[in-house]
Formats: sequence, structure tokens, C-alpha cells
Amino acid sequence: GAVVSQHPSWVICKSGTSVKIECRSLDFQATTMFWYRQFPKQSLMLMATSNEGSKATYEQGVEKDKFLINHASLTLSTLTVTSAHPEDSSFYICSASRGTGSSGSPLHFGNGTRLTVT
Amino acid sequence: KNEVEQSPQNLTAQEGEFITINCSYSVGISALHWLQQHPGGGIVSLFMLSSGKKKHGRLIATINIQEKHSSLHITASHPRDSAVYICAPTGNQFYFGTGTSLTVIP
Repeated sequence: GAVVSQHPSWVICKSGTSVKIECRSLDFQATTMFWYRQFPKQSLMLMATSNEGSKATYEQGVEKDKFLINHASLTLSTLTVTSAHPEDSSFYICSASRGTGSSGSPLHFGNGTRLTVT
Repeated sequence: KNEVEQSPQNLTAQEGEFITINCSYSVGISALHWLQQHPGGGIVSLFMLSSGKKKHGRLIATINIQEKHSSLHITASHPRDSAVYICAPTGNQFYFGTGTSLTVIP
């Protein structure tokens, strides 16, 4: 149980275009979803926390107008990278939790999306 | 200053060896996660613990809240254990260690 599906697994886009990444919890209701990015050889960096039906909470230094997060239902959150630039190329990962915030509930991760902006 | 220190950064072991990965943190937490990231990037949550010890198969995780230290042990290591292991203490926010890259040689 507790499967999280992330789509697409990889995407190449041109500079200036927008890319949407989906994160779905397939067999449980995810009260909270988290979005991370990871640069090569580096650890995870939390970008934002989203709760169903409310605005996402962004970490310091993450531009909310550039990384649009929507958590419209208990099973789906989307991250849209708007006006993508080559420096946005990275590995983006989502995780989902039944709990709220970083409350200590188990995390279930998607397989990640590798974004390359040319 | 890093809130989370993991050691070692890199580890190579022979199949069958007992492996220990350490995680020290300086922040107050409510729980600590141990994550496993495979070369393709996918992440699996191995443990979430807030006290004591947990065991799952060949994996054991311990935490000492007073000393702000956690360890992940792998008994009878196998090449399929090769991955990056990340500790992630959580309280009001997430913190992530830089990861330990483990390679188990047959």
C-alpha cells in the first residue's frame, strides 16, 4: 500500500516554456504533499509543503510565482515550473503523507521527475 | 553550520559485512526518517522513529533523543543494498543529511 505516482519521469523543454509535474497518491488520502528538488550529488531540498485545499507554504528562497503548486484534491498535487530556464534543470521529487505538516507521519515518495531545460 | 551531519559520506563494503551509518543533528525534532535513494533517483522511506529502535528485515535503526544521534545498521549486506542513505530529522520543518553513498561489492 501507500503508492505515490509521479509523472512524467523525465521531461525536456525549451527555455521559456512551462512544465507541469503531477504527484498522485494512488491508494490513500494525502493530507500533505511535499515537493523537493535535488541537484546532482546533493541531498534533497524541500521546496514547499502543500495541504489539500489551501495555499502551499514555500521554503525560504523558493519563488512561489515560478514554482506554482496546486493541491486540489487529497490525491493530487501538481508543480508547475513556469517560464523555465536552464538553471531550473534538476530532479524534482514529491512525497505524500496522511498527516499534516512535518508532523512525523510516514512519507511516501514518488519516483521523481528529471527536468532538462534547453 | 549544518543542522544534520551524516557519516561516512561514502562507504564501500564486501557482501556480508555489517554496516553502520551515523546521523547527528543539532535541532529539536519530533521524528527522524531514514530514506534510501537508488541510482535511478527513486526514494523509499525505510524508517520513521522518534525513540528507541526499529527493525525491518536486515535493517535496524536506532535513535538517542538526548544525544541527538541516530544510526542505521545493515546486517549481512548485499549488493542490492547499494544506494544513497539519507537521514531526515523533522520537527517544525524538515532537515536533510547530505547522504551516505553505499556500495556493496559481491
